[in-house]
Amino acid sequence: AQTVTQSQPEMSVQEAETVTLSCTYDTSESDYYLFWYKQPPSRQMILVIRQEAYKQQNATENRFSVNFQKAAKSFSLKISDSQLGDAAMYFCAYRSATTSGTYKYIFGTGTRLKVLA
Amino acid sequence: DTGVSQDPRHKITKRGQNVTFRCDPISEHNRLYWYRQTLGQGPEFLTYFQNEAQLEKSRLLSDRFSAERPKGSFSTLEIQRTEQGDSAMYLCASLVGGAYNEQFFGPGTRLTVL
Repeated sequence: AQTVTQSQPEMSVQEAETVTLSCTYDTSESDYYLFWYKQPPSRQMILVIRQEAYKQQNATENRFSVNFQKAAKSFSLKISDSQLGDAAMYFCAYRSATTSGTYKYIFGTGTRLKVLA
Repeated sequence: DTGVSQDPRHKITKRGQNVTFRCDPISEHNRLYWYRQTLGQGPEFLTYFQNEAQLEKSRLLSDRFSAERPKGSFSTLEIQRTEQGDSAMYLCASLVGGAYNEQFFGPGTRLTVL
């Protein structure tokens, strides 16, 4: 069974600085998708960034980028030029891409990011 | 269309009572998920619908939980004979197209079982 581990329950970053959130996963599959979702306090969860496992190039979305290390089963999120609005819970998630596999998404336990003014 | 909506937003019930939650996905989204989220945890998969068909259900889900999506639009999640351990946030998410596409989450229904 696949698992997703986020080993940092809480992180802090100074406004305008860069922070990296860690995520590791375990799977025997070769084709899958990885996601980072953001859950602001009392607000709906939204997608931050996603990565297809067969793509070696790391995904980027404006100030957000990932470091995808398939062999190490690592998928970290880097937030550059941190802003106060980045303060939230961040969840890493895994989804099998095989057509005969499960439909479910597996989420980690989350990392609470605090942004200090 | 303003996104995924869930009703009610909060529900307080006594142990042993039945509760039903509703999710209205984004109108063109044919895929719908239910999750449970407890404090300090990530969303835990409960069940998945593609159109009106329930294609997957978590093995962790007891027989007290049932979900429907009768016309492939809105969905309901019912919990029978609620227990204190059922207290959690219940999230609904919808998407269209493949698994790589973005899930759009609703605001959730917070259930408190006394």
